[in-house]
Amino acid sequence: DTGVSQDPRHKITKRGQNVTFRCDPISEHNRLYWYRQTLGQGPEFLTYFQNEAQLEKSRLLSDRFSAERPKGSFSTLEIQRTEQGDSAMYLCASSLAPAGDWGTEAFFGQGTRLTVV
Amino acid sequence: AQSVTQPDIHITVSEGASLELRCNYSYGATPYLFWYVQSPGQGLQLLLKYFSGDTLVQGIKGFEAEFKRSQSSFNLRKPSVHWSDAAEYFCAVGPGSARQLTFGSGTQLTVLP
Repeated sequence: DTGVSQDPRHKITKRGQNVTFRCDPISEHNRLYWYRQTLGQGPEFLTYFQNEAQLEKSRLLSDRFSAERPKGSFSTLEIQRTEQGDSAMYLCASSLAPAGDWGTEAFFGQGTRLTVV
Repeated sequence: AQSVTQPDIHITVSEGASLELRCNYSYGATPYLFWYVQSPGQGLQLLLKYFSGDTLVQGIKGFEAEFKRSQSSFNLRKPSVHWSDAAEYFCAVGPGSARQLTFGSGTQLTVLP
């Protein structure tokens, strides 16, 4: 399968614990995005990387959230001191952005569903 | 600020009937518009996109959408719905690339046999 892969698919954690999610993008894609989707809502942008550089972060990304893409390939999203409000589906997407930076299509993974109890 | 409104939370149609899902957007410049579909347990799949040119765009699975600048709309249509089309549909607007997409809250489609 050459699509975007996310691991784990489901995570249940106790409030206050730290969790880390992994995303493996499509191999030649230089951009990687994280979105969050709560029940009954559309996905909300969190952050994105161009290769290993984190170029934009949403105000939704509080200090408890950190994302990395150390070698410009896979990415991790860590949430520290989880709260019940963090319960959501975390979606990763990737795209191949040309120099002109328009018309790029994002391919989404199946997501990691986080439940904080 | 950009925003997307999908006025219909849930739509039910019979198999073989036509379908139109509504999407209205607010965006300060030329919008780049997308329709995605999400089946249970699956990620988002791109159905079609509009960047420029012909305002009627064709997508996968027999879907099409029409961009109407005067109405700030990008409605999704399909002439004959199949049971496999039952899913949640999201309209999204972006600044010209896939970063910072703003999604609507989605329309859940139920298809009756």
